[in-house]
Amino acid sequence: EVRLLESGGGLVQPGDSLRLSCAASGFTFSTYAMTWVRQTPGKGLEWVAAISGDGEYIYYRDSVKGRFTISRDNSKNTLSLQMSSLRAEDTAVFYCAKNLVNGIAVYDSWGQGTLVTVSS
Amino acid sequence: EIVLTQSPGTLSLSPGERATLSCRASQSVGTRYIGWYQQKPGQAPRLLIYATSSRATGSPDRFSGSGSGTDFTLTISRLEPEDFAVYYCQHFSETFVAFGGGTKVEIK
Repeated sequence: EVRLLESGGGLVQPGDSLRLSCAASGFTFSTYAMTWVRQTPGKGLEWVAAISGDGEYIYYRDSVKGRFTISRDNSKNTLSLQMSSLRAEDTAVFYCAKNLVNGIAVYDSWGQGTLVTVSS
Repeated sequence: EIVLTQSPGTLSLSPGERATLSCRASQSVGTRYIGWYQQKPGQAPRLLIYATSSRATGSPDRFSGSGSGTDFTLTISRLEPEDFAVYYCQHFSETFVAFGGGTKVEIK
């Protein structure tokens, strides 16, 4: 059974940094691209960043470029999102998600989400 | 970047009725690049449909997808009580992923 477990969320002030982690199990982690998706409380879904299975290809949405860094440790089956210069508009539930298959970036497994609140 | 517009925002139907949800892309896209998700309160999204019309593992056959070009549709043939939820369409390219704003299917 595929399991994705996010951690690292919390309450931070504007301008602070935070690191999210996603522990994966139940599949061959290194062979799947992974993604972070966020959801503002009560609102819709927003793609944040994606990383290929080998970590060679990385993509971000414009609003987080230069502030967020996605990475993965395939030896530890862990996906990470380092977030810096956080803004109030980054407040959201952050989900990690697994690609269905390589080349098809829809997400067949999701974690339970971790809440990031940016507020003074 | 593709923008996805879902309509209606809310669909009020009774169990047993047919639900038709629309997703319109800002420009023509390939059918391979469209998916649909269901999300219930307090839960993560669940993949229902990928590549416009392929059902994901575990997705009941009352869910079907169709469309091409800029217009895509998710159809729920007969609503079950557990189908009342929010539905999102999604498009992906090599470098960007877009979600629609969602359609809430509520009990009438």
